Amino acid sequence: DGGITQSPKYLFRKEGQNVTLSCEQNLNHDAMYWYRQDPGQGLRLIYYSQIVNDFQKGDIAEGYSVSREKKESFPLTVTSAQKNPTAFYLCASSIGVGSNTEAFFGQGTRLTVV
Amino acid sequence: KQEVTQIPAALSVPEGENLVLNCSFTDSAIYNLQWFRQDPGKGLTSLLLIQSSQREQTSGRLNASLDKSSGRSTLYIAASQPGDSATYLCAVRGYNTDKLIFGTGTRLQVFP
Repeated sequence: DGGITQSPKYLFRKEGQNVTLSCEQNLNHDAMYWYRQDPGQGLRLIYYSQIVNDFQKGDIAEGYSVSREKKESFPLTVTSAQKNPTAFYLCASSIGVGSNTEAFFGQGTRLTVV
Repeated sequence: KQEVTQIPAALSVPEGENLVLNCSFTDSAIYNLQWFRQDPGKGLTSLLLIQSSQREQTSGRLNASLDKSSGRSTLYIAASQPGDSATYLCAVRGYNTDKLIFGTGTRLQVFP
């Protein structure tokens, strides 16, 4: 089955801890993205990567870090510097850029600070 | 900076009605516009992709139109069903960027 897999589905973090959210795709897509979703605010872009070993900051990158060592994987680390990390995190991928580029999403990870 | 707006924010209708959801964007320099559906606590499911050179796309009871010059798209849902209840999001992909910019969505409830 082709698709995007995010894990875990639910994640709890204590104050001051770093946590890493997993995103894996087997669609052979070059581009991958991380979004954060808060109630009433829509999706906001955290980081994106167009190719292996390269990534760019999105609109709300502070307190987050990513890596892109493999084409199929784009993990997101929520660091202790992120002051309000409780949110729903969504990973997406697409073939690349261009007019026919359709984005596909995983099922999300809900992160809660306890 | 691209801004995407969706109106209305919420909509509640009886089953069987035909619906129009609206999406507007401020910068017409886009590659494409995509409509998504999101069920509570779930990820996004792609419904329709309209390329910048296209005027509309259809899939089953769904029809999406694009007027790039006026910065507008509409999603038409024919003969709505309770199973259509969800949040509908539109997103645009701009030229020279690989970013998808999202609207805040329209929460739709279709009651029997």
